Amino acid sequence: DARVTQTPRHKVTEMGQEVTMRCQPILGHNTVFWYRQTMMQGLELLAYFRNRAPLDDSGMPKDRFSAEMPDATLATLKIQPSEPRDSAVYFCASGTGPPEAFFGQGTRLTVV
Amino acid sequence: DQQVKQNSPSLSVQEGRISILNCDYTNSMFDYFLWYKKYPAEGPTFLISISSIKDKNEDGRFTVFLNKSAKHLSLHIVPSQPGDSAVYFCAARYSSASKIIFGSGTRLSIRP
Repeated sequence: DARVTQTPRHKVTEMGQEVTMRCQPILGHNTVFWYRQTMMQGLELLAYFRNRAPLDDSGMPKDRFSAEMPDATLATLKIQPSEPRDSAVYFCASGTGPPEAFFGQGTRLTVV
Repeated sequence: DQQVKQNSPSLSVQEGRISILNCDYTNSMFDYFLWYKKYPAEGPTFLISISSIKDKNEDGRFTVFLNKSAKHLSLHIVPSQPGDSAVYFCAARYSSASKIIFGSGTRLSIRP
């Protein structure tokens, strides 16, 4: 059963620390998305890649967030330094071009 | 600037009746519209989609209607069942970029 895998599922960190979230997209999927879920904004698109190339990261705070795809099986989202307002659930999703994208279970980040 | 809007944060429907979830959008460049369902502590799961060239798509108990002139779509669930209680997200895809934008979600509660 193919699925998007995200690690860690939960992360508690202190303000100022670096946080790295990882995503393994479904094998063969060429588009990868990073979303953040907050109470007020719903699902915000942070960044997305096609064939490992970043297409749009306009949703990310550039000074502290970075997203990469070192290879086709791994996408990473880093926050450095982390702040309490970054506390949210971060979702990775992957797709192949048909309209739908398939989501992982998310990483719940708490910055204290 | 929210391009996909779900103006009802919550909806309560009696089991067996019809649930109607609404969504408005502002951008004419969207070529697909999608509905996702989300349970607590899980990632969103794809439910149904509709191409911008159609006005209706049906899949079992779920039907999505698209009114392009009004820039409005709706999801109908008939009959509503207890397992339908979840948060429903409306989403739209840009035709040129495969970018998927989500609304803020509507929490559907099915009461006995």
